[in-house]
Amino acid sequence: NAGVMQNPRHLVRRRGQEARLRCSPMKGHSHVYWYRQLPEEGLKFMVYLQKENIIDESGMPKERFSAEFPKEGPSILRIQQVVRGDSAAYFCASSPNARGETQYFGPGTRLLVL
Amino acid sequence: AQTVTQSQPEMSVQEAETVTLSCTYDTSESDYYLFWYKQPPSRQMILVIRQEAYKQQNATENRFSVNFQKAAKSFSLKISDSQLGDAAMYFCAYRSEGGGADGLTFGKGTHLIIQP
Repeated sequence: NAGVMQNPRHLVRRRGQEARLRCSPMKGHSHVYWYRQLPEEGLKFMVYLQKENIIDESGMPKERFSAEFPKEGPSILRIQQVVRGDSAAYFCASSPNARGETQYFGPGTRLLVL
Repeated sequence: AQTVTQSQPEMSVQEAETVTLSCTYDTSESDYYLFWYKQPPSRQMILVIRQEAYKQQNATENRFSVNFQKAAKSFSLKISDSQLGDAAMYFCAYRSEGGGADGLTFGKGTHLIIQP
C-alpha cells in the first residue's frame, strides 16, 4: 500500500524560472494539503484541495503560487518566477474523506533557488 | 487563529531513559485534534500519536504516550525507554474539528538528542 508520493525529491531552479512540484495521495485519499517548511522552522499550511476544487488557500502567497488537483493525475503546486526566498522543503499530505482525519505526509520536495 | 508553542528547542536524554516534550496551544474552540509528528534526518514527517479533544483518556502508542490537559491547553509527549532511532525533530500540531481552517498548525519543533 503505497504512501504519499512526491516528485521530484530535489529541484534546483534559477531565479525567474518556474517550479512544478507533484503529489500523488495515498490510495483512497481524496484530500490533499500542501505545506512549506523553511529552514529551522515548523511546517506552514499553504493550501487544501479536493479533486478539481480548491477548498482553502488561506496560506498560499497571493502571487506566483498556484495549486491544482485534477480529476486524473497528481496534485501540482506551481511556483512561477521563483525567487531565493522560495527555497524550502514543500510537503504534501493526504487524508481520507472525513474532517479531522489524520494527514499522512509525503517525503517532501527540496527546492533550491540559485 | 490557533497557535502552537513548543518551548524546548532542544532536549537530550540518555538511551533507555524517559523524556517528556512539552506543547501548549491557544484556541477558542472546544473540538479539535492534536498530533505529534516526528521528523528524522531524512526529513520525512511521520505520525507518532493523535488525540481527539473530546476524549479524556490519554492516547498511547507503544513507548509513546501523551499527557493531554484540555483546561490548561497542554499536550506533552512522553517517550519511554528512549532508543537511538528516536533521535529526530518532534513537532506538535493542531487541527480544528470543523468549520475552520483545514490545515494543521505546527509548533516550531523540539530537537531530541539521544545519548548512547
